Amino acid sequence: DAGVIQSPRHEVTEMGQEVTLRCKPISGHNSLFWYRQTMMRGLELLIYFNNNVPIDDSGMPEDRFSAKMPNASFSTLKIQPSEPRDSAVYFCASSSTGSYGYTFGSGTRLTVV
Amino acid sequence: DQQVKQNSPSLSVQEGRISILNCDYTNSMFDYFLWYKKYPAEGPTFLISISSIKDKNEDGRFTVFLNKSAKHLSLHIVPSQPGDSAVYFCAASMEYGNKLVFGAGTILRVKS
Repeated sequence: DAGVIQSPRHEVTEMGQEVTLRCKPISGHNSLFWYRQTMMRGLELLIYFNNNVPIDDSGMPEDRFSAKMPNASFSTLKIQPSEPRDSAVYFCASSSTGSYGYTFGSGTRLTVV
Repeated sequence: DQQVKQNSPSLSVQEGRISILNCDYTNSMFDYFLWYKKYPAEGPTFLISISSIKDKNEDGRFTVFLNKSAKHLSLHIVPSQPGDSAVYFCAASMEYGNKLVFGAGTILRVKS
């Protein structure tokens, strides 16, 4: 199993540009989570999906952030327009009902200049 | 409002000694707790967990203790090894398999 796959690994963009982060969960997992890691707040849950349906997006910081899961094998997190304070590592994780914890991807390090 | 708090940003321990990482939580509805370990440039990986019906869970060199009345849990690593150097995240859930709330993490450095 290839695990949770995130792309790109690194993204550097200019303020105001649109950024799209991608995630492929583990096959058979029915829950998908997007987290953001910062020094001050650690791992913050942005949004999670269950069976491709968004369940809780209360962690999405602003309307500039949006996430989609068009099918069980793909999800995107979009930031439009991006701002320097969005710079962080963004993790995607997946799990299956009744399992211990999550399996995380390797993350996307986003830098907005 | 952080519901899961790891008040020590970093910890340095000598190889072979015990490492104790602490975590406090505020939400009494949490009933499942996990520890994750994270190396640089990698995603967090699951380490050990404990249900609220227990006060201790052990897996090899790793033991997690839960004190529900104090809303406190700790991770003990004995003996500590240089390969244990990583960031450790405490996480909590209100329902088995539900979303996890993470703390800010503690950087552990094990010196050889």
